[in-house]
Amino acid sequence: QAALTQPPSVSGAPGERVTISCTGNSSNIGADYAVHWYQKHPETAPKLLIISDASHPSGVSGRFSWSKSGTSGFMAITGLQADDEADYFCQSYDSNVHGAVFGGGTTLTVL
Amino acid sequence: QVELVQSGPEVVKPGASVRVSCRVSGDTFLNDGISWVRLVPGRGLEWLGWISVSTGKADYGPKVKGRVSLNTNADTNTAYMEVWSVTSDDTAIYYCGRLPRDSSRRTPENEPMYFYYMDVWGSGTKVTVAP
Repeated sequence: QAALTQPPSVSGAPGERVTISCTGNSSNIGADYAVHWYQKHPETAPKLLIISDASHPSGVSGRFSWSKSGTSGFMAITGLQADDEADYFCQSYDSNVHGAVFGGGTTLTVL
Repeated sequence: QVELVQSGPEVVKPGASVRVSCRVSGDTFLNDGISWVRLVPGRGLEWLGWISVSTGKADYGPKVKGRVSLNTNADTNTAYMEVWSVTSDDTAIYYCGRLPRDSSRRTPENEPMYFYYMDVWGSGTKVTVAP
């Protein structure tokens, strides 16, 4: 069971906006540690998509944005495109683990 | 650009050990931290541990602590992860990733610190545990 909880799947039509949540607890997101997001297409390695509290990695579209509230982080994708169809993982730091924790992943389907 | 090249797929028997390598190019290896994670279908990404290349200090994830060892070779710009006493639960795709150095922070012992995200990933190594 993943340390951070994500919805297993979300979907949206091209051009729409979707949001993916990532819920932790008081030893990770709730302790104000950053939440980062990765995108993974089939048969490829994950790619860093969002660095919380920093500018986007080079080459990443501004259609991807993040927010955080309490023990949850959120990633929004606006103007959905077919190539956005992928798995998305959130990650934070956990003071009990003294290391990284990840979400179980969310599969985005573009209808 | 920075590239991380991992070793090829492995098939190992239960109880055996497996070592995965991760060669870094296009970067000053000694400035890096290297993190290791694995992707398990149905369980998502699991953090296995990370290591500071300059100090050799490593931290390990709770699910593999005591069965995993991380080390690096600065002569060949290569990081290694070894898992022993493997079971079918260790069947996964293993990834290495670079942790960029956070130049604004040092530990109380004046050692380097790193950002916690993996900004460049290796291509992955599939490890299958089977009798």
